[in-house]
Amino acid sequence: GAGVSQTPSNKVTEKGKYVELRCDPISGHTALYWYRQSLGQGPEFLIYFQGTGAADDSGLPNDRFFAVRPEGSVSTLKIQRTERGDSAVYLCASSLLPGQGTEAFFGQGTRLTVV
Amino acid sequence: AQSVTQLDSHVSVSEGTPVLLRCNYSSSYSPSLFWYVQHPNKGLQLLLKYTSAATLVKGINGFEAEFKKSETSFHLTKPSAHMSDAAEYFCVVSAAGNTGKLIFGQGTTLQVKP
Repeated sequence: GAGVSQTPSNKVTEKGKYVELRCDPISGHTALYWYRQSLGQGPEFLIYFQGTGAADDSGLPNDRFFAVRPEGSVSTLKIQRTERGDSAVYLCASSLLPGQGTEAFFGQGTRLTVV
Repeated sequence: AQSVTQLDSHVSVSEGTPVLLRCNYSSSYSPSLFWYVQHPNKGLQLLLKYTSAATLVKGINGFEAEFKKSETSFHLTKPSAHMSDAAEYFCVVSAAGNTGKLIFGQGTTLQVKP
């Protein structure tokens, strides 16, 4: 596709359940990022992939959060035992190459609501 | 560590009047700085970026920003606001290292009144 695609656009889940959020980056982009945006806040970094490997996962809040990118393209963010505090918009971005000054292209996000 | 502070959470202007959205940054080295815009139910879109070239940066839709090292500022301006400019604006700095990781400010909501 022309841009970064995220599915689903909305996800409502019950507390304690497991969820997967998918990101399909722009074709050929080697760098992929996940961010989380809580209501009224700026996006906060979660994890960065260069190719298939997680090069920086320092933003993951705890071990309930995990992300993969097995073939260096599509990525899945996985959240176990969801809590109400996990409710937020999860944003995915990709860039052609990593590096300062490189433009990151964002998807429209997945709005996760934990009830 | 790098950080950005957006000095106004909400700015309201009349259509046709100038826009000023203020941003101060903190960085231990010469940073890359960005402004992103987020319209309701749309993805973040890059308005402009500064990467140590010209200090006055021109972006899309008539926006520009000036990098002032002495003031550690990167304010966003536009000479004449349009109704379609109403959105959330984020000042962003690149984190240290060469990962492309971004650090966002809290955002400024721009309201444009007719």
